[in-house]
Amino acid sequence: EVQLVESGGGLVKPGGSLRLSCAASGFTFSQYNMNWVRQAPGKGLEWVSSISSSSRDISYADSVKGRFTISRDNAKNSLYLQMNSLRAEDTAVYYCARDSLALRGSSGYSPFDYWGQGTLVTVSS
Amino acid sequence: EIVMTQSPATLSVSPGERATLSCRASQSVSSNFAWYQQKPGQAPRLLIYGASTRATGIPARFSGSGSGTEFTLTISSLQSEDFAVYYCQQYNYWPPNTFGPGTKVDIK
Repeated sequence: EVQLVESGGGLVKPGGSLRLSCAASGFTFSQYNMNWVRQAPGKGLEWVSSISSSSRDISYADSVKGRFTISRDNAKNSLYLQMNSLRAEDTAVYYCARDSLALRGSSGYSPFDYWGQGTLVTVSS
Repeated sequence: EIVMTQSPATLSVSPGERATLSCRASQSVSSNFAWYQQKPGQAPRLLIYGASTRATGIPARFSGSGSGTEFTLTISSLQSEDFAVYYCQQYNYWPPNTFGPGTKVDIK
């Protein structure tokens, strides 16, 4: 069974840092591109960052570029998001999500077929 | 950046009725398009990919159609468990991967 379990969320002051983790199981983690998606309270979904299976290709939303760093450790089946210079507008539930290898479209890109349960990050003084 | 818009923002439907949700992309995304369902307190769940293919385990009452810039999700006969928020997503252009703002389907 595919499982994605996020951790590391919590309350942090503006300007502070936090590191999120996502533990993956039930599939060959090293074969899949992975993503972080966030959802502010009562709002919609916002893609944050993506990392390819080998970590060669990384991309960020403009809203987090230069402040957040995505990484992975394939030996530990884990995905990470280092968040620095946090702002109130970063308050959200952060989900890790798997790119679907099997459902890749003509673009070469994929929808997200599995999601974790999310971890809440609150940025407030 | 591709902008996704969804309509309506809220759809009030009685159980057993048909629901039709729309999503529009600011430029063509071909069929590289998905629908997700999200219930309160839960993660999103993939419903439809490739604009019209149901994901594993998704009931046949859910159907997707469209290509290019106009897409539709139809729920043929709403069940109690279908009341949720539905998001569209394009994966034709990357980055960024963009979601629509969502349509909330609630009980009439």
